[in-house]
Amino acid sequence: DTEVTQTPKHLVMGMTNKKSLKCEQHMGHRAMYWYKQKAKKPPELMFVYSYEKLSINESVPSRFSPECPNSSLLNLHLHALQPEDSALYLCASRLMSGTSGVDEQFFGPGTRLTVL
Amino acid sequence: AQTVTQSQPEMSVQEAETVTLSCTYDTSESDYYLFWYKQPPSRQMILVIRQEAYKQQNATENRFSVNFQKAAKSFSLKISDSQLGDAAMYFCAYKWASGSRLTFGEGTQLTVNP
Repeated sequence: DTEVTQTPKHLVMGMTNKKSLKCEQHMGHRAMYWYKQKAKKPPELMFVYSYEKLSINESVPSRFSPECPNSSLLNLHLHALQPEDSALYLCASRLMSGTSGVDEQFFGPGTRLTVL
Repeated sequence: AQTVTQSQPEMSVQEAETVTLSCTYDTSESDYYLFWYKQPPSRQMILVIRQEAYKQQNATENRFSVNFQKAAKSFSLKISDSQLGDAAMYFCAYKWASGSRLTFGEGTQLTVNP
């Protein structure tokens, strides 16, 4: 299994709703990432988990709450979002193999979020 | 801080021809990785090619190859025999070998004309 899966593919929510995005990988990667991407722009890093611990938070507003229950699963809990939070949310996991020098991120297909 | 610059917001190529996308970067580190990612309209980010800075040989993957000029901090992508399926946004990205972050360029939108 060499893929990162994300659910749901599309999500529409109101500003008072609570929802969650889910990301899963079964490649044994120990680092997982959340990115936000606006149309025609590069992905912006939000959070990094390394060995199930939050290692990077790019000063993301608290209405986004990440969670890493285990090494295969990454969630992003959403609450009281604003219309400007509408974007594509990408999850990635990172392969790092010291012996071969391989170091790359594998991206999921994303969740397209619309906040009304 | 590392920066990645893609100076061509848009490029177009005729089917079956060759196109080169430009990327320059700025870093004070000596050990790093460079990547080209492709993002078609479906929005899935796909790794096209990877280059380790310590390797002098340019990476190639089938029709995709890079011209890595370490001293000039340049990392261009050449697509040979362009196909309609190559149409996408292409992002150049940098990662310090000991870091976790990818630094992306602003992207180049490639159109392939039949």
